Amino acid sequence: SYVLTQPPSMSVAPGKTATITCGGNNFGGKNVYWYKQKPGQAPVAVIHYQSDRPSGIPERFSGSKSGNTATLTISRVEAGDEADYYCQVWDSSINQILFGGGTKLTVL
Amino acid sequence: EVQLLESGGGLVQSGGSLRLSCAASGFTFSRYAMSWVRQAPGKGLEWVSAISEDAVSTHYADFAKGRFTISRDNSKNTLYLQMNGLRAEDTALYYCVKDGELGFDYWGQGTLLTVSS
Repeated sequence: SYVLTQPPSMSVAPGKTATITCGGNNFGGKNVYWYKQKPGQAPVAVIHYQSDRPSGIPERFSGSKSGNTATLTISRVEAGDEADYYCQVWDSSINQILFGGGTKLTVL
Repeated sequence: EVQLLESGGGLVQSGGSLRLSCAASGFTFSRYAMSWVRQAPGKGLEWVSAISEDAVSTHYADFAKGRFTISRDNSKNTLYLQMNGLRAEDTALYYCVKDGELGFDYWGQGTLLTVSS
């Protein structure tokens, strides 16, 4: 079955750039979504259609997809960016939605 | 303002059943697909099931097939998840999620299910 692989954790200093990857067998035409979740809160969408930002999401958040990897990039990282980040796709071959395992971003 | 209010969680013994509900407001419920997503304590997000806006199509994660049933009542703006044959590994916070044109755009605060073995 399709699996999305994310690094479990990463850390970045304030003002620097965080790059979170999401690896899949072959993204092909699959749309990739990214969600941010802070402790004790429900997830919030930060990227849809691999690179578009929902309204209210800062321009510092960007996304891309190439080959077997989707990437969430957070520029000029702030303390408030510290959270868990999840990638997600819809696998039309089996009609299931898949989440990556999540990446815990720590701001130093 | 979009609101999704889950209810029905609680403590149930292994092998038992439970039905979760999600009351939706602030949008035209009958126009949108909906999903349930769960999160075990300290773990990641796990999709459970989805239902089309008209309830014609339903989809399930492998672990939910044959045990869980998703349904909706558009006249009551309510989403349901009937869970049977519950196991300890089903213990999780269950989120009701609106599936907008741009992905999961609204999430409830979740209802906690604890399955005791």
